[in-house]
Amino acid sequence: DAMVIQNPRYQVTQFGKPVTLSCSQTLNHNVMYWYQQKSSQAPKLLFHYYDKDFNNEADTPDNFQSRRPNTSFCFLDIRSPGLGDAAMYLCATSSWDGNSPLHFGNGTRLTVT
Amino acid sequence: KNQVEQSPQSLIILEGKNCTLQCNYTVSPFSNLRWYKQDTGRGPVSLTIMTFSENTKSNGRYTATLDADTKQSSLHITASQLSDSASYICVVSAGQAGTALIFGKGTTLSVSS
Repeated sequence: DAMVIQNPRYQVTQFGKPVTLSCSQTLNHNVMYWYQQKSSQAPKLLFHYYDKDFNNEADTPDNFQSRRPNTSFCFLDIRSPGLGDAAMYLCATSSWDGNSPLHFGNGTRLTVT
Repeated sequence: KNQVEQSPQSLIILEGKNCTLQCNYTVSPFSNLRWYKQDTGRGPVSLTIMTFSENTKSNGRYTATLDADTKQSSLHITASQLSDSASYICVVSAGQAGTALIFGKGTTLSVSS
């Protein structure tokens, strides 16, 4: 089945230790997104790619970086995780059609110790 | 300011009963309104997407309505099942693709036997 897959499902990292989260898709969508979702809150868009064009949200901290080496894969790098970065990180994809749904992965739950 | 407000914040119903979740929005420009279901520890899954001209859209036991004049939407769940226990998120699109999505905080539904 076509889908969005995130790895790992759970990630524990130490304060200040870089961590990378990965996302792959078989939907061949040209748009990929990274969201941060904290407990009982709505997902917050960090950035998105339209093909290889990177678009950062204005309030996304510099601590968060992303890479998209090809259509299928996208990575979220957190350079120096702080305790406040503990959250669920959701990857999503869509086509560039304003009325197409987002397809989400099941997320990576990040714990910072 | 673009906002999406959902009510109630949480709801408990007995299995087999119907329920209705509400969404009010102040988003401009308006592109479409989406309902997502998010199971605990999972990514959101799209239920419906409605454009300005659509009043009602169904997906199995889920029926969404949209009143673009009053800027209100509802999600009606018929004959609830235990598997309907989840967070239901109303999302309004203010632009193209998924780059201008305004998320509500969700309604947490618990269906008990």
